[in-house]
Amino acid sequence: AQSVTQLDSQVPVFEEAPVELRCNYSSSVSVYLFWYVQYPNQGLQLLLKYLSGSTLVKGINGFEAEFNKSQTSFHLRKPSVHISDTAEYFCAVSGFSHDMRFGAGTRLTVKP
Amino acid sequence: EAGVTQFPSHSVIEKGQTVTLRCDPISGHDNLYWYRRVMGKEIKFLLHFVKESKQDESGMPNNRFLAERTGGTYSTLKVQPAELEDSGVYFCASSPTGGVRNEQFFGPGTRLTVL
Repeated sequence: AQSVTQLDSQVPVFEEAPVELRCNYSSSVSVYLFWYVQYPNQGLQLLLKYLSGSTLVKGINGFEAEFNKSQTSFHLRKPSVHISDTAEYFCAVSGFSHDMRFGAGTRLTVKP
Repeated sequence: EAGVTQFPSHSVIEKGQTVTLRCDPISGHDNLYWYRRVMGKEIKFLLHFVKESKQDESGMPNNRFLAERTGGTYSTLKVQPAELEDSGVYFCASSPTGGVRNEQFFGPGTRLTVL
């Protein structure tokens, strides 16, 4: 069975600063990894996903994540955040079944 | 193209009452999923439909929850009778035919409050 741990429940950061949201997973099988974002009053939107191939994955809105198999991590990064990036971010993992396992979420707050 | 829609957006009911949540997936998506997020915790899988068939309902918490997808289009999730611990946000998602590599498209969720 897979599981996901998001190490930070809240991350405050100033506008234009870099940010890293941490995600670790555990699985006994090959995994697919995802980052979703939820803006206020909206559904979850896919930011990026790792299925195979290059370990550095680029997503929408300038976000990227790196799959590190040895450290079982899939941290999300952005070199310079904007106020509009304020949202809750979810890391998720799926394996051979369709039930996606999510972390508890990280609330990113970008301050001016 | 319309996304996944859910109705209602909010529901406040008293313990012991019945509530029915509805999800309309993206047209043509055979896979439909229900998830739930209890306050501050992770989003948890409830069940998965392929067309009208329940593929996996291992995440359903107990027999007070009943999900249906008649005709393989929209789905309903009924909670009867509702308990306090059922409060949370219920998400629906859909994806096209294919493997787990497919992105799941999520609706905005239904916030259920049981008093």
